[in-house]
Amino acid sequence: DIVLTQSPATLSVTPGESVSLSCRASQGIGTTIHWYQQKSNESPRLLIKYASQSISGIPSRFSGSGSGTDFTLSINRVESEDFSVYYCQQTYSLPFTFGSGTKLEIK
Amino acid sequence: QVNLLQSGAALVKPGASVKLSCKASGYTFTDYYIHWVKQSHGRSLEWIGYINPIGGYTNYNEKFKNRATLTVDKSTNTAYMELARLTSEDSATYFCSSGGSYPYYWGQGVMVTVSS
Repeated sequence: DIVLTQSPATLSVTPGESVSLSCRASQGIGTTIHWYQQKSNESPRLLIKYASQSISGIPSRFSGSGSGTDFTLSINRVESEDFSVYYCQQTYSLPFTFGSGTKLEIK
Repeated sequence: QVNLLQSGAALVKPGASVKLSCKASGYTFTDYYIHWVKQSHGRSLEWIGYINPIGGYTNYNEKFKNRATLTVDKSTNTAYMELARLTSEDSATYFCSSGGSYPYYWGQGVMVTVSS
């Protein structure tokens, strides 16, 4: 199975800061990585598909980049509603796997 | 808009089975796969499998393959997941999600508790 390693596990930031969240795959997966946001007691929400493609209705401050094994989710100027957990998922090969998540918290 | 409405919480005994439902609306049911995802309390997400509503073709995570069965009823736009031989490790929240190869729209999730 492809293992996705997300780092850091927790990121403490002040609203207004810009951040980058990392997702590293155990083998090359092209750009078949997707990013989700999950707020407490809610369902996940798709933010970015195929590493860098935007999703309708998602604020433009969210962007993605990367290919192969290293991927990044960037949030430009974090807002209070962005404090939640972020997961990456690969759909390169079965079984589709998720990373363990990065919790974005208020400093 | 797309909506996936999942059945209510379930309390089941060890060794029993549970069948969860996921009713889709707001789109053509056969346009998207239905994925099922497990989230144990406070932990990450685990993909169980998906079903293509058109022909019922399925793909499972090997970890769940012998216990999970995914089906659809196209007449009611409803997807089902049955999970057999439950243990305490199956206590979790289960999500259904529609999408292509990746989950896009998500249901609200349903909590399954396995306890005697």
